Formats: sequence, structure tokens, C-alpha cells
Amino acid sequence: GQQLNQSPQSMFIQEGEDVSMNCTSSSIFNTWLWYKQEPGEGPVLLIALYKAGELTSNGRLTAQFGITRKDSFLNISASIPSDVGIYFCAGQLRFISMDSNYQLIWGAGTKLIIKP
Amino acid sequence: DGGITQSPKYLFRKEGQNVTLSCEQNLNHDAMYWYRQDPGQGLRLIYYSQIVNDFQKGDIAEGYSVSREKKESFPLTVTSAQKNPTAFYLCASNYGATRYGYTFGSGTRLTVV
Repeated sequence: GQQLNQSPQSMFIQEGEDVSMNCTSSSIFNTWLWYKQEPGEGPVLLIALYKAGELTSNGRLTAQFGITRKDSFLNISASIPSDVGIYFCAGQLRFISMDSNYQLIWGAGTKLIIKP
Repeated sequence: DGGITQSPKYLFRKEGQNVTLSCEQNLNHDAMYWYRQDPGQGLRLIYYSQIVNDFQKGDIAEGYSVSREKKESFPLTVTSAQKNPTAFYLCASNYGATRYGYTFGSGTRLTVV
């Protein structure tokens, strides 16, 4: 099936550092979504992107919809301990069949860990 | 407050048993979904339902079954045919427009003992 390549797989950072992660695909998407999952919980939507080139912020988080429509990145500025968790990208393909109309394609996640 | 509730939070299953995971939402969402999550992997779609009394297989439906008798409820049965059922199961819902994302429940961790 379709895949999203999300990187890095994990990040060890110091508190206060900026963080950057991205998702890429060989397919064209019309929607990019970024979620955060804390241990033992379900993912929570952080940012949604709908247009190529769109740059959207949510507090210290900023995400962009790539111009080629095949990628997206998420930045976190001045990280704090509560930023730890797994960040997932998800996208809806631009060209969809009836079977895939209600499905999202998911990245494997980026695990963010704060160094003590 | 509106939300989506999964129960139980932890479930233990003996080999050969069927178990049912509950998912209830009071968001008036039309569509509901079941995902499986394994360590280091993304979410994999098991089943989804766009309307009551209708559901579709996802990418990994083998060994699972669902029903959608009410708009609010979408239970998932993990049958004995599922050979590797130990995983974290997530239920989600939305109004049916995938591009606006899903609201997720807090998950059920199923362990085979």
C-alpha cells in the first residue's frame, strides 16, 4: 500500500532546543495532518494543512505543506519536557478511489525524548 | 463533553478466545474507524464504517470482525483466527471528511496470555 516516510525515527534533545521532523512520499497529497501521541493515549491533532505551500502555526509548533505536495515538515521551537511523545504525520492522497476515500496514510512516527 | 470512549483500557486474552473491544462516541460523527498500533510502526487500518449497518475492510481485517448497529457504537471483535493479537487498538471517528482528521479514543491494550 501507500507509504509515508517519516524521519527521524527518534530524537534525543535538550530542553530548549528546536526540533524538526518531516514526512515524504512519492505520491501527491491534498491534505497533511500532524498528530501527537502521549504514552498509553490516542493521537491528538496538532495541525492540519490543505494547500501546497501553506505554513501554519499552533503555539510553538509550525508545519508546512510542501510545494511539490509530496512532503511536509513539523518544527517545534524551544522544546519543553511536555513535548515528549510520538509525533505522526498523516495524509490524504490527491487522487483517491472510492475505496480509499475515507482513509489516511500514516507515517511510522517520530519519538521525541528529552535528555535529562 | 463530547468524546470517544474505549473500554476496557487493558484486556488480557487467552489463546483461542474471542474478545470484544468497545468504542462509543457522542460526537454525532458519521464515520468510525479501528486502527492497530504496534511498536515502531504507524497506524494500520482494520475496519471502518461510514454509516450505520455498513462497514468496510481496511488493510489488516483478517482475524477481526465489527458491527455498526448504532451510530454511536462500533465494537471490534478480535477472533481466535488473529494469530498475533497483542497490540494497542485505537478507535477513531469523524464526520466522514477524512481531510479534517479524526478524533481518537484513548486506546485498548490487548495482551495474549
